[in-house]
Amino acid sequence: DQQVKQNSPSLSVQEGRISILNCDYTNSMFDYFLWYKKYPAEGPTFLISISSIKDKNEDGRFTVFLNKSAKHLSLHIVPSQPGDSAVYFCAASALSSGGSNYKLTFGKGTLLTVNP
Amino acid sequence: DTGVSQDPRHKITKRGQNVTFRCDPISEHNRLYWYRQTLGQGPEFLTYFQNEAQLEKSRLLSDRFSAERPKGSFSTLEIQRTEQGDSAMYLCASSPQFGVGYTFGSGTRLTVV
Repeated sequence: DQQVKQNSPSLSVQEGRISILNCDYTNSMFDYFLWYKKYPAEGPTFLISISSIKDKNEDGRFTVFLNKSAKHLSLHIVPSQPGDSAVYFCAASALSSGGSNYKLTFGKGTLLTVNP
Repeated sequence: DTGVSQDPRHKITKRGQNVTFRCDPISEHNRLYWYRQTLGQGPEFLTYFQNEAQLEKSRLLSDRFSAERPKGSFSTLEIQRTEQGDSAMYLCASSPQFGVGYTFGSGTRLTVV
């Protein structure tokens, strides 16, 4: 049972345009969400996160939006750059639930290609 | 500190052999995690240490897998009698006591032939 779903395996955008990566989750206990970027032959690198008490978090060109009622989050990259080409993973944690709050559940990832 | 280090980066082994991977976390992080990533999937949780105590093991971790973290520093993940299905990227991560600010290593890619 996939608790974190990234339904688009790939996305291609032009340099300078907006990239929107989507993520859905099913577990209502999740209250902290993260995006990781992964280049080939490297480990995932933390990009941005959001707590369930917020609906938006911004860091430079990266903004994450959270819609709790829809159990949906999205990552916006504006403007997109060729160096942003990588696999992007959405991850979720039940941070305040105690117990296994350290554990991250990942989606399958979306391959973003930014064309010059 | 240079981040989380994993050794080796690549390992090719014959089916039935034993392999051991090493992870050196960020020194001030007392939490350490092992994840496994197969082709087309996201990382999947295997096990978690707080200091030297192994506090949780996923059901993905069969009896052939064992992980240790002696003295709460580096960790090792051993796979005995490897099978072709064990072929994957094995990722180690560490984090401080609070929060989920993981730092991942570059991983060990295991190929079982």
